[in-house]
Amino acid sequence: GQQLNQSPQSMFIQEGEDVSMNCTSSSIFNTWLWYKQDPGEGPVLLIALYKAGELTSNGRLTAQFGITRKDSFLNISASIPSDVGIYFCAGMNYGGSQGNLIFGKGTKLSVKP
Amino acid sequence: DGGITQSPKYLFRKEGQNVTLSCEQNLNHDAMYWYRQDPGQGLRLIYYSQIVNDFQKGDIAEGYSVSREKKESFPLTVTSAQKNPTAFYLCASIPRTGYLYGYTFGSGTRLTVV
Repeated sequence: GQQLNQSPQSMFIQEGEDVSMNCTSSSIFNTWLWYKQDPGEGPVLLIALYKAGELTSNGRLTAQFGITRKDSFLNISASIPSDVGIYFCAGMNYGGSQGNLIFGKGTKLSVKP
Repeated sequence: DGGITQSPKYLFRKEGQNVTLSCEQNLNHDAMYWYRQDPGQGLRLIYYSQIVNDFQKGDIAEGYSVSREKKESFPLTVTSAQKNPTAFYLCASIPRTGYLYGYTFGSGTRLTVV
């Protein structure tokens, strides 16, 4: 099945550093979503993006919907230990088989205190 | 509070046995999904159901079965035909309207073959 290209696969950073990750696709999406998965838990929605070029923030998190509608990025500023987890991007097109998200393989973030 | 409940949290299966993972939601969501998660492989779709009494295979349906007799419930059976069932299993749901917020996920079931 179709998957998004998410990079990097993993990151090891020092507390206080900024983090950047991105997703690219060969297909256009109407919606981009970013999820965070804590160890041993299900993913939780962080940010949803609905328009090309849209830039949205949620606390220390900022995400953008690429102009071409084929990519998105997520930035985390001033990382803290609780940022540890796996971050997934997801693309969705409403209409047709709506609700079927396409996921990236995730970026595993480790933060050293 | 509304949400999705997966049970059990941990499940151990002997080789050759079928096991059933439970997924219940009280969000009044229409569609429900099952994903398998292995380290480094992301989320792979097993089965999904958009309405009661109907479901479709995902990318890795072989060795699994599901039912959708009630809107709230979407149990997944891992059969003995699934050769490598050890994994983390996630259930998710989404409404027909208001779906722009994506899926709500359960907290997962970790299945281990012993």
